[in-house]
Amino acid sequence: RKEVEQDPGPFNVPEGATVAFNCTYSNSASQSFFWYRQDCRKEPKLLMSVYSSGNEDGRFTAQLNRASQYISLLIRDSKLSDSATYLCVVSRGGSYIPTFGRGTSLIVHP
Amino acid sequence: GAVVSQHPSRVICKSGTSVKIECRSLDFQATTMFWYRQFPKQSLMLMATSNEGSKATYEQGVEKDKFLINHASLTLSTLTVTSAHPEDSSFYICSATLAGITDTQYFGPGTRLTVL
Repeated sequence: RKEVEQDPGPFNVPEGATVAFNCTYSNSASQSFFWYRQDCRKEPKLLMSVYSSGNEDGRFTAQLNRASQYISLLIRDSKLSDSATYLCVVSRGGSYIPTFGRGTSLIVHP
Repeated sequence: GAVVSQHPSRVICKSGTSVKIECRSLDFQATTMFWYRQFPKQSLMLMATSNEGSKATYEQGVEKDKFLINHASLTLSTLTVTSAHPEDSSFYICSATLAGITDTQYFGPGTRLTVL
């Protein structure tokens, strides 16, 4: 089983839709979780951290389920500008060394 | 704040030459920098972890003699791809963490290396 797994998509949704991505991780000792956004041929940019209590930032909500070892990202009222690849990042157990998922591609169309 | 720069942004070189990529934290001190490589449609693959003043820790399968990393100061780390070959062509990205806050990374804009 890969350390961090994501459905590569693409998720093709209309503007205004709500879309959710999941990311599973294999190491139960992992402590830090993040969602990054990467546009084509650009560097990743931090979207949000994921806390045990959940985290909401505007239209974006991230949640952590330690029991099932997955994190999720919910995007409400999708905009065209949300089109990108969303990378799940999980720290290795016992350290802060990050492991990136392959990314989930989102395409928001008019 | 927390800006990371990389230089050059793009480089094309002949097979057998060496290429140096610089990663700088512009407005903060970075005790730890990471070097990644990303092939098309693939995820970022961590190559090595670089701590200021000490030797880099390389990931399994990454040749330390081929990818030389130097982290001489709290704001600069360099990656040198020695004797580059076409299979080394990739997108190389560095990231830096704020001193004392080790789990949030700030990424440089990346360097696209093409080896002919």
